[in-house]
Amino acid sequence: DAGVIQSPRHEVTEMGQEVTLRCKPISGHNSLFWYRQTMMRGLELLIYFNNNVPIDDSGMPEDRFSAKMPNASFSTLKIQPSEPRDSAVYFCASSFWGPEAFFGQGTRLTVV
Amino acid sequence: KNQVEQSPQSLIILEGKNCTLQCNYTVSPFSNLRWYKQDTGRGPVSLTIMTFSENTKSNGRYTATLDADTKQSSLHITASQLSDSASYICVVPIQETSGSRLTFGEGTQLTVNP
Repeated sequence: DAGVIQSPRHEVTEMGQEVTLRCKPISGHNSLFWYRQTMMRGLELLIYFNNNVPIDDSGMPEDRFSAKMPNASFSTLKIQPSEPRDSAVYFCASSFWGPEAFFGQGTRLTVV
Repeated sequence: KNQVEQSPQSLIILEGKNCTLQCNYTVSPFSNLRWYKQDTGRGPVSLTIMTFSENTKSNGRYTATLDADTKQSSLHITASQLSDSASYICVVPIQETSGSRLTFGEGTQLTVNP
């Protein structure tokens, strides 16, 4: 298995533009997590899905952020409109009930 | 409040030396604790998972300990190498009825110098 796959690896966009981050979890995993990492705040959980259903989105910063998981093999995190303070590395992780969670390589987002 | 605290925040050592990283947690109920290594520009990678019944677990030059009574864990790195330079993150899952989500410490930034 190729592991958790995220795209793009890097994204530079202008303030106000829509940004869509993509994640393909490991096949067979039933939980998917979106995290944001910054120097100031470390890793923060934004939202997690269980069996494609959003369970906890309390970490989503504001209404500009939205996440979907239309099926077990794909999820998106959308920011609309983007702002400079959204600049961070966004990680997707997946797991299958057990204690292990596998992370993707992350998407480095820069909003200018 | 469920929390995970790590110390030191950063550490610089010379190649070949040993070091110990600390993690204190207040997550309850407790099921397991994980240590992740995150290289610059990459996602976290699991080093070890400690369950409630385990006191010590080794993975090569990495040895993790767990004291569930005092809610403390340590990660000991022996004979450090330049490639050990990374952020080491202590993670404890919070169990919820619909699954679990991870509570992260802020990490210890380790720098190994030649």
